Amino acid sequence: DTAVSQTPKYLVTQMGNDKSIKCEQNLGHDTMYWYKQDSKKFLKIMFSYNNKELIINETVPNRFSPKSPDKAHLNLHINSLELGDSAVYFCASSQGVNNQPQHFGDGTRLSIL
Amino acid sequence: QQQVKQSPQSLIVQKGGISIINCAYENTAFDYFPWYQQFPGKGPALLIAIRPDVSEKKEGRFTISFNKSAKQFSLHIMDSQPGDSATYFCAASKGMIKAAGNKLTFGGGTRVLVKP
Repeated sequence: DTAVSQTPKYLVTQMGNDKSIKCEQNLGHDTMYWYKQDSKKFLKIMFSYNNKELIINETVPNRFSPKSPDKAHLNLHINSLELGDSAVYFCASSQGVNNQPQHFGDGTRLSIL
Repeated sequence: QQQVKQSPQSLIVQKGGISIINCAYENTAFDYFPWYQQFPGKGPALLIAIRPDVSEKKEGRFTISFNKSAKQFSLHIMDSQPGDSATYFCAASKGMIKAAGNKLTFGGGTRVLVKP
């Protein structure tokens, strides 16, 4: 009964490929996020959706495109993968945007060869 | 520009000791300060949070101290246990501004090792 689940857990691919990461939450939340954690463990928000509407887009290259088909899902598609995209990507969700606790998934470790 | 600075980067403490992690922020618009705990291979999990209208909040062995004038806050882990060994992140957000979208700005993290 994982609250926020991401697939795949690991993703190893070649530079230049296109890949997607999926996220689903069963908490009934209306807001979802993507964070990137680099090799030094630094966590930085990438995107946030509230009721399927994009509300945060943090200067992320346009090779990254989030898509929210419904409130329970937020997917991340990455085109033309680069070495610098290697990181752990975390999905999170919250109910509302007013300082509500964010619940994180266990991450997708993306490795670019 | 790192808006939330966290120290130390790593910490070793004996079982039963006190772990102290400090954070400093720059943006006075921040109005919510959570701490997250992350175990290897897992996502961050909310541990405890404080708003700037109180100076201290305690939940079990975990206490946040908040100094609004100094723009600093800290996490104290009392009676540290080996199971507390994890990476701890402070964070800040401007939650009451809807356009901010509940965006969390994280500190750089502190790896805590509790020795038995």
